[in-house]
Formats: sequence, C-alpha cells, structure tokens
Amino acid sequence: DQQVKQNSPSLSVQEGRISILNCDYTNSMFDYFLWYKKYPAEGPTFLISISSIKDKNEDGRFTVFLNKSAKHLSLHIVPSQPGDSAVYFCAAATDSWGKLQFGAGTQVVVTP
Amino acid sequence: EPEVTQTPSHQVTQMGQEVILRCVPISNHLYFYWYRQILGQKVEFLVSFYNNEISEKSEIFDDQFSVERPDGSNFTLKIRSTKLEDSAMYFCASSEEGAYTEAFFGQGTRLTVV
Repeated sequence: DQQVKQNSPSLSVQEGRISILNCDYTNSMFDYFLWYKKYPAEGPTFLISISSIKDKNEDGRFTVFLNKSAKHLSLHIVPSQPGDSAVYFCAAATDSWGKLQFGAGTQVVVTP
Repeated sequence: EPEVTQTPSHQVTQMGQEVILRCVPISNHLYFYWYRQILGQKVEFLVSFYNNEISEKSEIFDDQFSVERPDGSNFTLKIRSTKLEDSAMYFCASSEEGAYTEAFFGQGTRLTVV
C-alpha cells in the first residue's frame, strides 16, 4: 500500500545550500500533509504541515509546497545546517481521526 | 515542553510471550496512536484511539493486539503471543484534535522477539 512515496532514499547537500525533498501521493482524498524529522533512536518530530487548501506554507528555514494537480509536495530547507542531518518523512492524512500514512523516508546528510 | 513518554525503551521477549508496551501521552491530548517501524521499512499505522475506544485499526492490528487506556494517563499496547515478525520499533503518538493537528511521537520502544 504505497499511497505516499518518497523516491529518493538519500540526499547529500552542502551546508548553506538548499535541500529539496520530494514526496508523491496517490490518494486524492488526502487533505493534510506533514513532514516529520527523525534522528536515530528517537521518535519522529513534527516539522511543518500544509492543508490541501493551500499551496505553500513557510516556517523559518522550512517551506512546504503542495501541487495538488500533480499529487506532489516538497520540502525546502534553506540554508541547510549540519543539525538538519536526519531522516525526513512525508506523511498524509485523510480523515478526522488523524491516522498518518508515511512515506519511506529520505536520509539527508548535510556536509560542512 | 510536554512530551510523550514510552517505557521500556527496549524489550526482549521470547516468541509466544505476551508483552505490554506503555505510553504516557501529552496530558491534554485526546487522540492516541500506535505506529511501528520494522528495521529498514517505513513507519506503519497500527491503531488510533479516541474517547476510550478504537477509532481505526490497520490490517496489522489483528486479534493478537489490543490497546487500553487503563487510567487517565497511560495508554498501552498489548501483544498477546509475540511472533518473530513483531520485532520492530513501536511508537506511541498523541494529538490534540486528531486530523489537522500534528501528532507528537514518543521516543519508541524497541521490541525484539527471539
């Protein structure tokens, strides 16, 4: 059941540059999208979200873009910092209970 | 900052044994969840719980699994007879209003079935 897909398992980026993480989904009923960040041996930590009525949401260095017609969203991190090195999960929800469908994650490594 | 806490951090159990994973959600949250992540795989939804009952469960959450909120603070996941394939990281999460509010995750319990 691959309703949320992150096709890039890893991304390496230089400190100070932009990180762009991509996520595709197949279920048109999804109406709320979230990005979570996960360090080893920790639980996922909420980063930023966007509802389907918007196409952009910005919070500091993090911006999420949603293209509903393409069923695609992306997370931009700029500038990237070494502390951003983590696994980033895209997640989506369809219903009022808030069950999340997760993508497989993208491992981001920010190099000095 | 309030957080979701899970105990134990690591549990080793023999196949066929019962295990109970414990969670203390954030106090004013009303929606509770269990997820799991098998090593190298994606985070998978198991069950959601609201108003003292299961609101939704996945195919993974079969009769071997149960959840309970035995008092006002704890939220538990019980696996009745563990199998080798139950070995995974189990995450508890809670959210204030379900959808449209972010879920806060605990640090996880690593369950190893031998």
